[in-house]
Amino acid sequence: AQRVTQPEKLLSVFKGAPVELKCNYSYSGSPELFWYVQYSRQRLQLLLRHISRESIKGFTADLNKGETSFHLKKPFAQEEDSAMYYCALSGAGWGKLQFGAGTQVVVTP
Amino acid sequence: GAGVSQSPSNKVTEKGKDVELRCDPISGHTALYWYRQSLGQGLEFLIYFQGNSAPDKSGLPSDRFSAERTGGSVSTLTIQRTQQEDSAVYLCASSFQHQRGGVETQYFGPGTRLLVL
Repeated sequence: AQRVTQPEKLLSVFKGAPVELKCNYSYSGSPELFWYVQYSRQRLQLLLRHISRESIKGFTADLNKGETSFHLKKPFAQEEDSAMYYCALSGAGWGKLQFGAGTQVVVTP
Repeated sequence: GAGVSQSPSNKVTEKGKDVELRCDPISGHTALYWYRQSLGQGLEFLIYFQGNSAPDKSGLPSDRFSAERTGGSVSTLTIQRTQQEDSAVYLCASSFQHQRGGVETQYFGPGTRLLVL
């Protein structure tokens, strides 16, 4: 069965430090991976998806099919990055997203 | 343009009562999704509509939960005989038509916070 694992519930980092949020998945088909972010009192929104190969707000994520991972990275964390981050998986023909448990990121000055 | 809207934003009800939650998707989005966000279970998929039909209802937790979509637009999620464990934030999302072999970006509403006393 498909599964998304985010091992860290809480990640506390200092401003300017690098941050990496881990995401591992299990899925036998060809996956579509996403990172969604939810800032305080805001709705859930897409941060990036692997097929776009974009850097959004300084964040990047690389799909590693060998390690079945899609870790999210940013070299220099900012206070405005404090939020809840969800890794999500979808597959061809699915429609739905399967979410990980989420990682709360707190960036302190 | 306007994003996904949901109403009510908050709902408090008594155990055993029925509730209806409404979702207005982004205009032109033919796919609509319901998810539930709760402390213990995280973000769970409930049901997915393509147009007015629901090809995937696999996430509905019990037969007390049902959803419909009319006119390819507004959707209503109904919970009958509510239980305390139904307390959660119910999120709606919409996207362009889900293409075979591809996944469209989903845009989320603000959610309805349901509290069952």
